[in-house]
Amino acid sequence: EIVMTQSPATLSVSPGERATLSCRASQSVTSNLAWYQQKPGQAPRLLIYGASTRATGIPARFSGSGSGTEFTLTISSLQSEDFAVYYCHQYTKWWTFGQGTKVEIK
Amino acid sequence: QVQLQESGPGLVKPSETLSLSCTVSGGSISSYYWNWIRQPPGKGLEWIGSIQYTGSTNYNPSLKSRLTISVDTSKNQFSLKLSSVTAADTAVYYCATNSGYDAFHIWGQGTMVTVSS
Repeated sequence: EIVMTQSPATLSVSPGERATLSCRASQSVTSNLAWYQQKPGQAPRLLIYGASTRATGIPARFSGSGSGTEFTLTISSLQSEDFAVYYCHQYTKWWTFGQGTKVEIK
Repeated sequence: QVQLQESGPGLVKPSETLSLSCTVSGGSISSYYWNWIRQPPGKGLEWIGSIQYTGSTNYNPSLKSRLTISVDTSKNQFSLKLSSVTAADTAVYYCATNSGYDAFHIWGQGTMVTVSS
């Protein structure tokens, strides 16, 4: 099983600031990496797939980068609606998720 | 735009079988792959398994011995059966779709299932 490790567990950021979330895979997943946003009581929403392609309707302030085992999700200027939990997900070998990073208001 | 809706009992007794269905609307089930994913309260996401309209399945090895996923193309539905449940199976269960080895582009709203006597 490919283990996905996210850091940090919690990120405290002020509105308007930049947020950088990390995800590491236990073995290479090439670019088969997605990011999701989940708010309380809601299903996850796909933000990024293919490591760097924004899903339909996702604002340009969300960007993804990386390949192989190291990936980053960057939110360039946090808006109030961006405070949520973010999960990375690999789909190279089966489908596994990271444990999540909570982005909270500082 | 495809939409997914989970349905089934919200409470299941220990040792019994958890049964859920997912109805696909706005598109045909004879496309893509259809998945079940769960999330225990306050925890992360776990992929359970998937099925294609042909009936071809992939199961999470950790659940495989208790799991059956089936598809009913006439109803545009797919279903999950998880046997011999315990409290550890308490979770929100989501159905979701993808194109095989791909991200999950569309999700249902999820349904909470509690295992308790």
